[in-house]
Amino acid sequence: DIQMTQSPSSLSASVGDRVTISCRASQTISNYLNWYQQKPGKAPNLLIYAASSLQSGVPSRFTGSGSGTDFTLTISSLQPEDFATYYCQQSYTPRFTFGPGTKVDIK
Amino acid sequence: VQLVESGGGVVQPGGSLRLSCAASGFTFNTYAMHWVRQAPGKGLEWVSFIRYDGSDKFYADSVKGRFTISRDNSKNTLSLQMNSLRPEDTALYYCAKDNGRVIRALDYWGQGTLVTVSS
Repeated sequence: DIQMTQSPSSLSASVGDRVTISCRASQTISNYLNWYQQKPGKAPNLLIYAASSLQSGVPSRFTGSGSGTDFTLTISSLQPEDFATYYCQQSYTPRFTFGPGTKVDIK
Repeated sequence: VQLVESGGGVVQPGGSLRLSCAASGFTFNTYAMHWVRQAPGKGLEWVSFIRYDGSDKFYADSVKGRFTISRDNSKNTLSLQMNSLRPEDTALYYCAKDNGRVIRALDYWGQGTLVTVSS
């Protein structure tokens, strides 16, 4: 199975900050990489699919980049509603795998 | 799109449980579906996939041989039969809709149903 890692595991940031989260796959996955946001007590929400495509309804301050094994989720200007946990997930193989998550909280 | 899970509860180790997911708001029989779980305070774990017509099914190694995914396209329902349950299967179980694209993603999720395996 393809293993996914994320860094950092958590970070503290302020409203208006630029935030970057990294995700790495244990083998090349081309651009078969998705990003989700999960708020406490809620189901995950798809933000980015195919590494860089913005899901409908998701604010443009979220951008994804990368290919191969290394990927990045960037929030250009952190908003109060963005404090959450973010997960990457590969769909290169039929058996999906998620990263361990990155928790973004208030500084 | 609405996905509503049911069937969760408390079960003893070694027991069985059947989860259901009622789907509405989209053409159910044209989309693959998934189950994803989340243990209390932990991250997301993909569990199982079923193709739109039920012709292909995949499972995480942690549940293979114990869980069976199925669907009834006439009733817009997804199911997960869970046998030989273990304490480590304790989690909130989500059903999720596949986006149907070449690069698959989970574009809609239910609110989850809680499974607790404990004696």
